[in-house]
Amino acid sequence: GENVEQHPSTLSVQEGDSAVIKCTYSDSASNYFPWYKQELGKGPQLIIDIRSNVGEKKDQRIAVTLNKTAKHFSLHITETQPEDSAVYFCAVQGNIQGAQKLVFGQGTRLTINP
Amino acid sequence: NAGVMQNPRHLVRRRGQEARLRCSPMKGHSHVYWYRQLPEEGLKFMVYLQKENIIDESGMPKERFSAEFPKEGPSILRIQQVVRGDSAAYFCASSPSERVSGQPQHFGDGTRLSIL
Repeated sequence: GENVEQHPSTLSVQEGDSAVIKCTYSDSASNYFPWYKQELGKGPQLIIDIRSNVGEKKDQRIAVTLNKTAKHFSLHITETQPEDSAVYFCAVQGNIQGAQKLVFGQGTRLTINP
Repeated sequence: NAGVMQNPRHLVRRRGQEARLRCSPMKGHSHVYWYRQLPEEGLKFMVYLQKENIIDESGMPKERFSAEFPKEGPSILRIQQVVRGDSAAYFCASSPSERVSGQPQHFGDGTRLSIL
């Protein structure tokens, strides 16, 4: 089955700097790659996603890049702010009908230092 | 996470009791997914349902766990004869039905289950 590895497990950056979180996956047939932000006591919140026919997607301070050949994708947060502090999860979904489960990475705890 | 409603938010049960977790998907969504999250870990898929059908239960333990999504009413995740290892946060997600794949899944705020 699909295996997703996420790094780093913890990340601490100064406010205003950039943060990058990386994920690798094993199934080359996977075609949907969302990123979620989870705050304490809350459910995961979808912040950005990318499909396999696109190499990069940007939404204000957040961007995701996908390298299908190497089977890895990354989340980039620029101009970080204290409210960006949270746990971030990458996920991968296959393209087989009926097998639409998300396989999650282990999570990255991001801390923004003021 | 307005939209996907889960209740209760917290549930305490003693070993051997039954736990029932409820999930109402976002309006217009007919696909429901259940995930389990242990402390300091990622989410693990349990089951995927459409109205009155279980589509994929590959992540569901074979015993004591069951799920349903009836024609009317919320989806229910049922755990019988709970054990301490069932303590976790259980999240429900829903997605629209228009696309086969690449459907964004939107999560509720979960049910924190504690077993005494």
